[in-house]
Parts: sequence; structure tokens; C-alpha cells
Amino acid sequence: AQKVTQAQTEISVVEKEDVTLDCVYETRDTTYYLFWYKQPPSGELVFLIRRNSFDEQNEISGRYSWNFQKSTSSFNFTITASQVVDSAVYFCALSDIGSGNTGKLIFGQGTTLQVKP
Amino acid sequence: DSGVTQTPKHLITATGQRVTLRCSPRSGDLSVYWYQQSLDQGLQFLIQYYNGEERAKGNILERFSAQQFPDLHSELNLSSLELGDSALYFCASSVSFESEAFFGQGTRLTVV
Repeated sequence: AQKVTQAQTEISVVEKEDVTLDCVYETRDTTYYLFWYKQPPSGELVFLIRRNSFDEQNEISGRYSWNFQKSTSSFNFTITASQVVDSAVYFCALSDIGSGNTGKLIFGQGTTLQVKP
Repeated sequence: DSGVTQTPKHLITATGQRVTLRCSPRSGDLSVYWYQQSLDQGLQFLIQYYNGEERAKGNILERFSAQQFPDLHSELNLSSLELGDSALYFCASSVSFESEAFFGQGTRLTVV
């Protein structure tokens, strides 16, 4: 069965600190996609990144970076020099492309990040 | 703005009632997904439509149903509502099964 685990329920940091959000996934598929979404206090879900299972290159976008390691089934998300506006719930998700090919997402439970000024 | 529009944003209704949530996907997206977000269950996939046809079903209750119309907008119908159905219901759309899904702002349903 496919599963996404975000073991950190809540993280609190002070502005300008770096913070890493962990994501561990389980799947039997060889072809899959991993995602991160952000849910700010206003409630909408904002897409951040998509990574396919064949591309293990790390990615950096501004203050955001992602580390994908197939060997440990992890897809961690780091925010560098955090800001108050980064306060949100962050979700990691897995898409089962290999079997069924639907694109439906399996979400982790989310990590609530609080950045204090 | 994701380009996915959901209406209404808020809905308060009584137990036993029936409601309809509406979703307009991004222009060009053929795939529509419905998700439920509740405190105890987290974000759960309900159902997916692709170009008017049901494509996948998740843990959707029999009291819930959905459809996608020829203009690709979708509706989620919730009937015989119970207190436990109170949740945030999201619609998402994507251009293909491999691409990222963009989410609407959600409909917050409160059953009293």
C-alpha cells in the first residue's frame, strides 16, 4: 500500500533560521511522482514542487530546496532563512502513476510550521 | 490564484440535508479531483473524473456522488448529511495524470 509519513507534526522556529520538513513515502511502484503543497492560514492549497521517481537531482527555488533520496524513500523540504510568511501547514504527497495511472494524491498528515518574528 | 474556482466558499446546513458543491477547473484541464480535509482524517481523495468519465474512486461514502459535465465543470453532491461530514472540500484539476494538480480555495461545509 502507498503511504506518506510526515513525522513532524509541528515545528516552531525563529525568523531567519533554516528549517527542514521531513517526508518519507512507501510505494511498490517504480514510477511515481512526489509533491509538496503549502496550506497558509487562509486555507487554500498551493503547489510548490513536483518530482518524478527517475530524477533524483536536488532542486532549489529561491529560499526553498528539496532533497530526494530514493535509497531512503525520502523527499525532504528545506526553507533557508525562514520568514513569518512561511508559517503554514506543509503537505507532502505521492501520486500513483505506475499502477492505475490516475494522478490521485496520497497526502501525509502535514507539518505545521510556525515562524516567529 | 490557481485558476480553479469552487463555489460556495462556505456552507452551513442541517443534518439530513443535501448540498451541491461546484468546481470549475483550470482552462484546458480535463481531470478533476475531489478531496476532503478533516481534522481526524487529514486530506483524503474522494473521486476523480477525466473528460466526463469517472476515473478513480477513493473512500467516498455512498451518500456522496459526483459528476463532470460536458463543459468540464464538476459537482459533488452530499446527501443525508451528518455532523461528521463537516470538513473542507477541495476540488483540484490537472492537465494530465502526471502533472501537478492545482487546487481551488475549498468549500467549508459545516453541518449543524
